[in-house]
Amino acid sequence: SYELTQPPSVSVSPGQTARITCSGDALPKKYVYWYQQKSGQAPVLVIYEDIKRHSAIPERFSGSTSGTLATLTISGAQLEDEADYYCYSTDSSGNQSVFGGGTKLTVL
Amino acid sequence: QPQLVQSETEVKKAGASVKVTCKASGYTFTTYSFTWVRQAPGQGLEWLGWVSVNNNKTNYAQKFQGRIMLTTDTSTSTAYMELTSLRFDDTAVYYCAAGAAYWGQGTLVTVSS
Repeated sequence: SYELTQPPSVSVSPGQTARITCSGDALPKKYVYWYQQKSGQAPVLVIYEDIKRHSAIPERFSGSTSGTLATLTISGAQLEDEADYYCYSTDSSGNQSVFGGGTKLTVL
Repeated sequence: QPQLVQSETEVKKAGASVKVTCKASGYTFTTYSFTWVRQAPGQGLEWLGWVSVNNNKTNYAQKFQGRIMLTTDTSTSTAYMELTSLRFDDTAVYYCAAGAAYWGQGTLVTVSS
């Protein structure tokens, strides 16, 4: 079955740039979406269709792709950005969607 | 602004079925398809499947084929997720999402003996 691979954790100091990666064989052909989830809350869409920032998401969040790697970048991470981040995409057939395992972002 | 309100917490016995509802408001119901996702305690997000509101076409995660049914009712702007033959590891918070951006608050389903 198709898999998306994320690092389990990323840690940065406030104001630094955080980069969270997501690797998947079908990413050159399929869009990736990024979600932020804070403890006890539903996921929130951050980036859709690889690079588009959802409404009300701060400009410090951006998405990019290169081949089989997608990256969520938080430029100047803030304390309130501490959360779990998940990438989401589909396999090459478009029939099976999948989430990455999630990355816990720590800002301290 | 689209809003999705899900049904309340469910406690079920192993082997039983559960049906979670997702009531939509604030937009034209046929605009978005519905995706269902679950999250076991302390675990990541897991995609369950997708249903088109326009033609009720479905696409299920292979893991749940034969045990899950996703439907919609345009007359009540409601989406449904039914999971049968419940197992203890089906204990999770179940979410509905309209399109990619609009999510329900989640429904906790606990499977007990």
